[in-house]
Amino acid sequence: QVQLVESGGDLVKPGGSLRLSCAASGFTFSDHYMAWVRQAPGKGLEWVSYITNSGSGIYYTDSVKGRFTVSRDNAKNSLYLQMNSLRAEDTAIYYCARRIYYASGSNFDYWGQGALVTVSS
Amino acid sequence: DIQMTQSPSSLSASVGDRVTITCRASQSISSSLNWYRQKPGKAPHLLIYAASILQSGVPSRFSGSGSGTDFTLTISSLQPEDFATYYCQESYLAPYTFGQGTKLEIK
Repeated sequence: QVQLVESGGDLVKPGGSLRLSCAASGFTFSDHYMAWVRQAPGKGLEWVSYITNSGSGIYYTDSVKGRFTVSRDNAKNSLYLQMNSLRAEDTAIYYCARRIYYASGSNFDYWGQGALVTVSS
Repeated sequence: DIQMTQSPSSLSASVGDRVTITCRASQSISSSLNWYRQKPGKAPHLLIYAASILQSGVPSRFSGSGSGTDFTLTISSLQPEDFATYYCQESYLAPYTFGQGTKLEIK
């Protein structure tokens, strides 16, 4: 069965860096677009970034452009999110999700359990 | 960015009730609309995509409708596991905005 397992969440000071990882199994990772979605404590969901199956296409929401970098290693079935210049407002649970396209759009059909990132002094 | 507005923000109902949640987009998104359920402390789970297509494995008590700017999620007979928060999400244009959520609570 499809499994996505995030790791790397931690407490970090403002301005600091952190790298999240997502280990995928149960499907052909190299065939699928992948994404990061976050949820601040007690708040709603926010798409952060996605990467195409080959890694050639990468997209970010405006609030993380220039600070976050998404990447993948298809040989290791792994997705990554390098987060630099972290701010208090980046505090959230970060979910790794598989992105699936359909005729009129796309969805996130499988999600990991999430990794908590806390940015605080 | 496209804004997604859900109503109501919260709702109280009983097991067996029929409930409807609405989602309105700030511009037309055709049928590029997904619905998710999130139980407390868990990741979101995809229920419906393309406005009305039931994701594999999702019970048939869930249904979706709408196109353009107005969409609805209906649960025909609430089960205990359905008391959760529901989110709509547009997939028409980045940043693929989610609604603010509708918290469904037990009456």
